Amino acid sequence: GESVGLHLPTLSVQEGDNSIINCAYSNSASDYFIWYKQESGKGPQFIIDIRSNMDKRQGQRVTVLLNKTVKHLSLQIAATQPGDSAVYFCAERGETGGGADGLTFGKGTHLIIQP
Amino acid sequence: NAGVTQTPKFQVLKTGQSMTLQCAQDMNHEYMSWYRQDPGMGLRLIHYSVGAGITDQGEVPNGYNVSRSTTEDFPLRLLSAAPSQTSVYFCASSPVALAAGPDTQYFGPGTRLTVL
Repeated sequence: GESVGLHLPTLSVQEGDNSIINCAYSNSASDYFIWYKQESGKGPQFIIDIRSNMDKRQGQRVTVLLNKTVKHLSLQIAATQPGDSAVYFCAERGETGGGADGLTFGKGTHLIIQP
Repeated sequence: NAGVTQTPKFQVLKTGQSMTLQCAQDMNHEYMSWYRQDPGMGLRLIHYSVGAGITDQGEVPNGYNVSRSTTEDFPLRLLSAAPSQTSVYFCASSPVALAAGPDTQYFGPGTRLTVL
């Protein structure tokens, strides 16, 4: 079946380094992708989104890259800070999306910041 | 304003018991939804509402009921709790449907439910 997943369940990086969190998707018809951040004990928080007609989008300290050829999505966080510690997950919207909102959510990667 | 609030934060039920998870928002958002989050799985949509008096099923609606009598409140009812309903439940609200404007969606802090 179609799924959205993350390559690594845990990613540990040094404070100040750049972080790259990956997401693979299998639905080639997906036209919209979202990255969320979820801190411990809190609800998910929108970070950045990208449409399938783009391959890169930048926000404040974050960049999302989309490679439709290999169906891969990544989130890059520049100069990682302690406050970036959280679980990050992606979501895709496809013609057979999981929910009535058309979105299928990935499982998440736990980003750990080492001092 | 308080954003999206959920009560209780934690709840333990016995199989067969019923309860209501409360969700309220003070942003006058039309769109509200309930998700469950299980270990090793992504968020899954249970029920959603596009306005007062209107509700519809999401991906995993079985075992749950909802109602939307006011714009502010969107309670989730478990009529007969089962261990499979052990999960963390998130309520969310937005002025538009999620996929149209995820940057305008706000999630509540979640309710951690355990069914024994």
